[in-house]
Amino acid sequence: GAVVSQHPSRVICKSGTSVKIECRSLDFQATTMFWYRQFPKQSLMLMATSNEGSKATYEQGVEKDKFLINHASLTLSTLTVTSAHPEDSSFYICSARSGQGLKAGNTIYFGEGSWLTVV
Amino acid sequence: ELKVEQNPLFLSMQEGKNYTIYCNYSTTSDRLYWYRQDPGKSLESLFVLLSNGAVKQEGRLMASLDTKARLSTLHITAAVHDLSATYFCAVLFWSGSEKLVFGKGTKLTVNP
Repeated sequence: GAVVSQHPSRVICKSGTSVKIECRSLDFQATTMFWYRQFPKQSLMLMATSNEGSKATYEQGVEKDKFLINHASLTLSTLTVTSAHPEDSSFYICSARSGQGLKAGNTIYFGEGSWLTVV
Repeated sequence: ELKVEQNPLFLSMQEGKNYTIYCNYSTTSDRLYWYRQDPGKSLESLFVLLSNGAVKQEGRLMASLDTKARLSTLHITAAVHDLSATYFCAVLFWSGSEKLVFGKGTKLTVNP
């Protein structure tokens, strides 16, 4: 079964509204979570790396004020797309890794993904 | 710059044939991952390669890692239709923070 749960799997929202996507690690503590977006027939683009209890590290070109990432606990990270526009429509995927440093887990698990459509 | 290059990007092959997908990366790393993605779905973990010379096999897929050459391969043996999917390699880098960077993916189509 899934070890990383992402919710919602599909969401449609109106332009200008905000939408929150949750990513939960189900049976391990995820010190590090990665957030990606994927356009149709393209690869995964890393948006940010979030570490529990600290600010997320955003990739160049990703607006931190638009894509708010919160990693408040060891099992939950959220991505909030603020003031969404149609160009934000995409498939958003989170992934999680257990442990840190020398104790870091080797496997990185992916959530089921969230399809966001902004109308 | 952290780069992961995968080739070929598209691969059409007949059932029963063998082929190899290549993954090159730009900077030192000791963790390389292979994933499979079916249309409209998320990623399924295939292999985690942690050290130079690592080789892992699962069914008709075998992955290897050469950290000195910064090269990983995913070899497909006697392909079957069920292997049709997009395959991604991803490399875990450290650059101020951890970054899992993906290649562009290889879309594999296995024809009967």
